[in-house]
Amino acid sequence: NAGVTQTPKFQVLKTGQSMTLQCAQDMNHEYMSWYRQDPGMGLRLIHYSVGAGITDQGEVPNGYNVSRSTTEDFPLRLLSAAPSQTSVYFCASSMTHSGQETQYFGPGTRLLVL
Amino acid sequence: AQSVTQLGSHVSVSEGALVLLRCNYSSSVPPYLFWYVQYPNQGLQLLLKYTSAATLVKGINGFEAEFKKSETSFHLTKPSAHMSDAAEYFCAVSKRGSNYKLTFGKGTLLTVNP
Repeated sequence: NAGVTQTPKFQVLKTGQSMTLQCAQDMNHEYMSWYRQDPGMGLRLIHYSVGAGITDQGEVPNGYNVSRSTTEDFPLRLLSAAPSQTSVYFCASSMTHSGQETQYFGPGTRLLVL
Repeated sequence: AQSVTQLGSHVSVSEGALVLLRCNYSSSVPPYLFWYVQYPNQGLQLLLKYTSAATLVKGINGFEAEFKKSETSFHLTKPSAHMSDAAEYFCAVSKRGSNYKLTFGKGTLLTVNP
């Protein structure tokens, strides 16, 4: 298994540009989540999904959209990038079953918005 | 609402010394608790988790943590620090059955001196 994969690894955007951060997992996990990591802030939840076709907002959802058309993929869209969205973005996945509570994290995408 | 407080944004120890990283949580319901480690420019790796079984939890790389409900704490310890333990450590909490919504502390950077 490749686990959780994210592309790209690094991206530079100009203010106002749009882009999609890709996330995929091959573990057949029902749950998927997006977090952003900023210095001194830890990780904060942006959006999450409990299954295909079901998404919901986390702590910091403004400026981001998500969709989940398949179990494997959970892309994060920035419609109009702002410098405040400069961050490291992590995707994570996990299972529903008791005893399988661990969230597995991808390697991250570093985003710089100029 | 849930929250996590990690006391000390930076902890420095000598190689071979005890490692103690502090985590206190707030939760209105019985929580799941996690410790993750992040090496430079990498994703997060689970060290250990508490999911209401034994209160003393053993993890990878010789780390362990004890859930103390009366103190709302979940401190991470390792008897003898190794140079390879230098990393950032994050404590996180979730509600039971909601492992896709982790609330993280702000992290503690561990430095190990030779």
